[in-house]
Amino acid sequence: NAGVMQNPRHLVRRRGQEARLRCSPMKGHSHVYWYRQLPEEGLKFMVYLQKENIIDESGMPKERFSAEFPKEGPSILRIQQVVRGDSAAYFCASSPHPSPTGELFFGEGSRLTVL
Amino acid sequence: EDQVTQSPEALRLQEGESSSLNCSYTVSGLRGLFWYRQDPGKGPEFLFTLYSAGEEKEKERLKATLTKKESFLHITAPKPEDSATYLCAVPAGSQGNLIFGKGTKLSVKP
Repeated sequence: NAGVMQNPRHLVRRRGQEARLRCSPMKGHSHVYWYRQLPEEGLKFMVYLQKENIIDESGMPKERFSAEFPKEGPSILRIQQVVRGDSAAYFCASSPHPSPTGELFFGEGSRLTVL
Repeated sequence: EDQVTQSPEALRLQEGESSSLNCSYTVSGLRGLFWYRQDPGKGPEFLFTLYSAGEEKEKERLKATLTKKESFLHITAPKPEDSATYLCAVPAGSQGNLIFGKGTKLSVKP
């Protein structure tokens, strides 16, 4: 059973470009979560999605960031007009629902570097 | 505001030297406390969930305990392969919305 798959693992963008990060949840999981880990900072929740629905986006910056989880295909985190402060590791996690232990299954992350 | 504070930030142990990591939390109504392990360049890996004060969970050399204000991760006779960053987290809001501490980076030397 494959784990949570994220790609690309590493992404370099120049200021002002767009970044698209993809996440395929574990088989059988219909809930996806995105987290950001800034250097020297803890993991910060960004957004929680189910198929075709955003459930909780309380951690998403109000501008330039968007997320989707279409009926078919992976979840995508999109960052428009990237700035240096967007450089971070972005982790996707998935879970079944309900999750008996509250456990989230994390991918290995996508590391974004903005030049 | 809900908060999670972990200490120490870093801990260096000799192989076999037991110790404890601390996670202090401030939440309005605890709905579980989670421990994760994160290896360099990897995503966090789930270890334990604790739900009520007095609860304990064990896995190999690790034992997690919970009080009303803090949780401890006890490491007994650690081995070099236990070297990692250990994260604790509490729920905030919807399912999967967790507040993570900054972690304790554990290094175990042979």
